[in-house]
Amino acid sequence: DTEVTQTPKHLVMGMTNKKSLKCEQHMGHRAMYWYKQKAKKPPELMFVYSYEKLSINESVPSRFSPECPNSSLLNLHLHALQPEDSALYLCASSQLGGSYEQYFGPGTRLTVT
Amino acid sequence: GESVGLHLPTLSVQEGDNSIINCAYSNSASDYFIWYKQESGKGPQFIIDIRSNMDKRQGQRVTVLLNKTVKHLSLQIAATQPGDSAVYFCAETQAGYALNFGKGTSLLVTP
Repeated sequence: DTEVTQTPKHLVMGMTNKKSLKCEQHMGHRAMYWYKQKAKKPPELMFVYSYEKLSINESVPSRFSPECPNSSLLNLHLHALQPEDSALYLCASSQLGGSYEQYFGPGTRLTVT
Repeated sequence: GESVGLHLPTLSVQEGDNSIINCAYSNSASDYFIWYKQESGKGPQFIIDIRSNMDKRQGQRVTVLLNKTVKHLSLQIAATQPGDSAVYFCAETQAGYALNFGKGTSLLVTP
């Protein structure tokens, strides 16, 4: 199984809402990532987890809160977002050491109204 | 402020022709490079990778060339097919987890 799954596929939320994005992989990868992608732009790294611990936070605003409950799951909790946070949120996973190839999920298309 | 790019660089090729997509990188310490393909509405999909101790690597219908002297990476697609139409991103990293993506090139294959 070389698949990374993400739910929901689409999400519309108001600026006062709290929602969560979910990501799951069963490849035994111990590194997991959140990226943000705006239209016609490359993915921008937000967070990296290795061995379920946050190892990189690319100065992301605190209204985005990541969580890694176990080695297969990665969540991104959203609160008090702004319209400019509307984007495609991509989850990825990879091995630690060896290949740096990251496997991406299909993304969650988020719209903040 | 951030400049807004309304259009991705676009490469238009006829079906059956070969395609070459180029990428420049800036970090001379980068040691791993990867090409991704992203179709509309999907996440990036791995195409091929190359380490800095190599200058060429071939896959099925694809070849990646690395020129470390001028910090340039290219992806060659042989006999381009309509299913190859997508946005192509190069990415690089320096022995770490943080992939830095290039701006992307939109490949359009015409019949």
